[in-house]
Amino acid sequence: GENVEQHPSTLSVQEGDSAVIKCTYSDSASNYFPWYKQELGKRPQLIIDIRSNVGEKKDQRIAVTLNKTAKHFSLHITETQPEDSAVYFCAASKSGGYQKVTFGIGTKLQVIP
Amino acid sequence: SAVISQKPSRDICQRGTSLTIQCQVDSQVTMMFWYRQQPGQSLTLIATANQGSEATYESGFVIDKFPISRPNLTFSTLTVSNMSPEDSSIYLCSVETAGGTSYNEQFFGPGTRLTVL
Repeated sequence: GENVEQHPSTLSVQEGDSAVIKCTYSDSASNYFPWYKQELGKRPQLIIDIRSNVGEKKDQRIAVTLNKTAKHFSLHITETQPEDSAVYFCAASKSGGYQKVTFGIGTKLQVIP
Repeated sequence: SAVISQKPSRDICQRGTSLTIQCQVDSQVTMMFWYRQQPGQSLTLIATANQGSEATYESGFVIDKFPISRPNLTFSTLTVSNMSPEDSSIYLCSVETAGGTSYNEQFFGPGTRLTVL
């Protein structure tokens, strides 16, 4: 089955700096890579995703890159703000309807004001 | 995205008892998923619930311990049976939207925080 590794497990940045979280996956057939943000005591929320037909996707201060050859993908948050503090999970699955999604262990991001 | 609710939001239970968690969605969905999230940990899939058929369980999870019902396209229940303190966790249901490019986008319910004494 799929295995998703995520690092770092914790990350502290100063407000305004950038944060990068990296993930690798094992199953070369995986082609859908979502990122979830989970604030303390709340549900995970989808913040951005990327499919294998593109190498990069951006949404305001958040961007995700994908390298299918190396089987790794990354989340980039620019101009971090205190409200970005949360746990971020990367995940991988195959597309095509109701496939199992495998999650990474999560990265606890702390943005220091 | 779908609007998902869960009941109860939290509960404290005694060892050996069972708890049934309900998940309600505001639209019809084919697949519903049940996850467990232990404190400070990632999300672990327990089972996939398809309306009209038996749930499919992941390795390490069995139907006798986590029976699931899926009576219609908007509702599912997960029962945690014969509970022990190791079952203390957050249990989340999720649904996957479908259609066009939306396949695989999973949306989560608010979760049920279970403490077993």
